[in-house]
Amino acid sequence: QVQLQESGPGLVKPSETLSLTCAVSDDSITTYYWNWVRQPPGKGLEWIGSIYYTGNTKYNPSLGSRVTMSIDTSRREFSLRLSSVTAADTAVYYCASSHYDSSFDYWGQGTLVTVSS
Amino acid sequence: EIVLTQSPGTLSLSPGERATLSCRASQSISRTYLGWYQQKPGQAPRLLIYHTFNRATGIPDRFSGSGSGTDFTLTINRLEPEDFAVYYCQQYVFSPYSFGQGTKLEMK
Repeated sequence: QVQLQESGPGLVKPSETLSLTCAVSDDSITTYYWNWVRQPPGKGLEWIGSIYYTGNTKYNPSLGSRVTMSIDTSRREFSLRLSSVTAADTAVYYCASSHYDSSFDYWGQGTLVTVSS
Repeated sequence: EIVLTQSPGTLSLSPGERATLSCRASQSISRTYLGWYQQKPGQAPRLLIYHTFNRATGIPDRFSGSGSGTDFTLTINRLEPEDFAVYYCQQYVFSPYSFGQGTKLEMK
């Protein structure tokens, strides 16, 4: 069973860049697609994007060009960068695994990121 | 973008009863690429059902999924106290992968 762990700053200032990393517990970094999902406090889930070990990415157009995902298979981790953040980006950010065209099997515990000065 | 609309917003039932949760898509979801998740307060979502019908590993058989096209259903038979949570549907056939807004299943 894959285990995922998010890490990164819990507080980001407006207009700055949010950066998070998700550590993968085993060599499945080259097996699955890797996703980021966020959940504003008290609200529903929003898919941010996904990345494969080849570097291929898909992003949610609602976030425009603010999103960048990357992957480092040697370190068994993948990352999210979200630029020009505002208070609307305050959320719990989850990383999750999926196979191609499939549901999200495994999830990290989530990390709360607050955007505030 | 496919919009998923879940109903009802809140469902109040008692343990032992059956819950029927609906998820309607704004356009047809081919190949039944729809999943259901359960989320309890302070926890990450947990996959219950994938590809409309299939229970994820370790999910009790009182959970079942059905549907096709634009209308999908999650049924929970004989509700247990631990089943009271928020449930989300998700389509993963078209990017951006989208979630419904959730149905809160609360204990009456």
